[in-house]
Amino acid sequence: DADVTQTPRNRITKTGKRIMLECSQTKGHDRMYWYRQDPGLGLRLIYYSFDVKDINKGEISDGYSVSRQAQAKFSLSLESAIPNQTALYFCATSDPKLAEMNTGELFFGEGSRLTVL
Amino acid sequence: GEDVEQSLFLSVREGDSSVINCTYTDSSSTYLYWYKQEPGAGLQLLTYIFSNMDMKQDQRLTVLLNKKDKHLSLRIADTQTGDSAIYFCAESTKGRRALTFGSGTRLQVQP
Repeated sequence: DADVTQTPRNRITKTGKRIMLECSQTKGHDRMYWYRQDPGLGLRLIYYSFDVKDINKGEISDGYSVSRQAQAKFSLSLESAIPNQTALYFCATSDPKLAEMNTGELFFGEGSRLTVL
Repeated sequence: GEDVEQSLFLSVREGDSSVINCTYTDSSSTYLYWYKQEPGAGLQLLTYIFSNMDMKQDQRLTVLLNKKDKHLSLRIADTQTGDSAIYFCAESTKGRRALTFGSGTRLQVQP
């Protein structure tokens, strides 16, 4: 089983619909992230959380919200989806000890491909 | 703000060496990384280098860091078809809470 699991893996929806992407991890990591991947733009950070009570905006948080329901779960919501939110979304985790040492390894899920028509 | 740039595409023949380049703007970067993304998968850490190092070698991989020019490269010796993937450069800075990624370089290996 994957250590970082994203659901759904693929979703097609219509403009204006509310969408939730879920992420769960079995690595025991405190830090969780949501990134968006677009061709030619690489990965851009949407939101991140360093523990259950900690939520931080990334560089492209407009139009998105997150919820850290538990240490192992971090969900991303699009309240009213629009076509330019069509992208591949990745959840990632990191180990706080490694992060403090700044080796910075992120562990990624397999991605959720979202298409907004 | 911080910026990391890469060329988008590289094509090589099987058995040749591949060199993927990256430039970054943050002079206080502490670690620089190469991540690999295979088709349909998430990113996996390939290797990393601390900013006080010039070179790091790991089997077929050689990472070169020119801190003065803020230039990072990844050399893959004897490139194989299984090396076909997107390679992302990323950097971290002490005190900043998340990595900054480049746009990714798609490596295509021709048989």
